[in-house]
Amino acid sequence: DQQVKQNSPSLSVQEGRISILNCDYTNSMFDYFLWYKKYPAEGPTFLISISSIKDKNEDGRFTVFLNKSAKHLSLHIVPSQPGDSAVYFCAASVQGAQKLVFGQGTRLTINP
Amino acid sequence: DAGITQSPRHKVTETGTPVTLRCHQTENHRYMYWYRQDPGHGLRLIHYSYGVKDTDKGEVSDGYSVSRSKTEDFLLTLESATSSQTSVYFCAISDRRQGARETQYFGPGTRLLVL
Repeated sequence: DQQVKQNSPSLSVQEGRISILNCDYTNSMFDYFLWYKKYPAEGPTFLISISSIKDKNEDGRFTVFLNKSAKHLSLHIVPSQPGDSAVYFCAASVQGAQKLVFGQGTRLTINP
Repeated sequence: DAGITQSPRHKVTETGTPVTLRCHQTENHRYMYWYRQDPGHGLRLIHYSYGVKDTDKGEVSDGYSVSRSKTEDFLLTLESATSSQTSVYFCAISDRRQGARETQYFGPGTRLLVL
C-alpha cells in the first residue's frame, strides 16, 4: 500500500522555465511533508518542508504547496537551472512517529 | 553537511554470506535509520533506532538485523545475503528537539551487489 505516490517517474523542462513536481498521499494523519533532492552516487539532501498548518512555504527558487483537501503537494522550481537536474523525493510523516514515508521519486532533467 | 559516513561504500558478495554495513555519525543525533533504494520503490525503511540499544522494524525488515551499542554507530546486518538484497543502502539521522520535526539527513550510501 503506497501511502505516498509520485506518479511521474520523469519530467523534462527547459532551462529558465518552471518545474512542477507532484506528490499525492492517502494517509490523512500525515501532517508534515518534505522534499529531498538526490544526485547520482550521493545521498538525498533535504530541500524544503511544510507543516499541515500552512498551504505554502518558500525558500528562494523553491516553493512547496500543500492542498490538504486533495491530499496533494507540489514543488515549484523557478527558474529551473541545469544544476536542478536530479531525482526528487517527497516524504511525509505523522506527528510523533519520527519516521518518514517516501514516494518513488521523479527524475527531473533541465534542458539547456 | 551532517557528519555521516557509511562503510563500505561498495561491496560485492555471494549469496548466503553474512554482510555488515556500518553507519557512523558525529552529530550526536538520537535517531538513526537504514533505508534501501530500489528503482520504482523510492526509499524504504528497513530498521531504525531511537537510542542506544533501542531499535524497531521498518516496512522491509525481513532478512535484516541491526544493532546500536553506541550513539554514533548503527550497524545493519544481512545474516545470509540473497540476490533480492542487491540495492543501495542509505543511513540517515535526525534529532527531535523541542519544536523541531523529523527532518532526516542522509549518508552517502553503500552499493551492495549480491551474486
